[in-house]
Amino acid sequence: EAEVAQSPRYKITEKSQAVAFWCDPISGHATLYWYRQILGQGPELLVQFQDESVVDDSQLPKDRFSAERLKGVDSTLKIQPAELGDSAMYLCASSLASPYLGTEAFFGQGTRLTVV
Amino acid sequence: GENVEQHPSTLSVQEGDSAVIKCTYSDSASNYFPWYKQELGKRPQLIIDIRSNVGEKKDQRIAVTLNKTAKHFSLHITETQPEDSAVYFCAARTSPDDAGGTSYGKLTFGQGTILTVHP
Repeated sequence: EAEVAQSPRYKITEKSQAVAFWCDPISGHATLYWYRQILGQGPELLVQFQDESVVDDSQLPKDRFSAERLKGVDSTLKIQPAELGDSAMYLCASSLASPYLGTEAFFGQGTRLTVV
Repeated sequence: GENVEQHPSTLSVQEGDSAVIKCTYSDSASNYFPWYKQELGKRPQLIIDIRSNVGEKKDQRIAVTLNKTAKHFSLHITETQPEDSAVYFCAARTSPDDAGGTSYGKLTFGQGTILTVHP
């Protein structure tokens, strides 16, 4: 069964350092989401891609976060510099893109980031 | 933008009882409403979803109802079992903005409900 792949699974970094997460969506999925999930809360959308284009990054702290999906396949989310408050689970999800029908978003295992 | 409110935040039931979780949404353009189950340390997984042209959908012990007029939808779990214990999230997905805006299929989640089923 196809899955969304994420790496690394766990990351510990010192504050002010740079950190990057990688996501490989299910083959053929044009829509890719990056979510941040703080323990005990629901996933919060950081950025959404349609192919290689960003269609929503309204909740992305752009002074320190960046995301790219250069060839419309895999994606990288970067934080520089990391702050203590960035400690969370970073989830990637992907779905087929149908303009007028809802389709399931499949989640990866996530990257648990701890900033010390 | 879309805002999804979920209640209750915690729910404790006895095995065999029913559990109901409710969500409200704000954007009338939302047309897809999935429910995800997340076990401790694992990824969210879809358990059931409903589209806006349907009022109710059932899959074995799980059902979802949608009231578009009131902008709320609910998850119903019957004959609960201890393995149903998890965090449940509702979500709402907007349709794309025909004028070319940025609201293409944004999937917004509720805050989650911790369901505990006692044996």
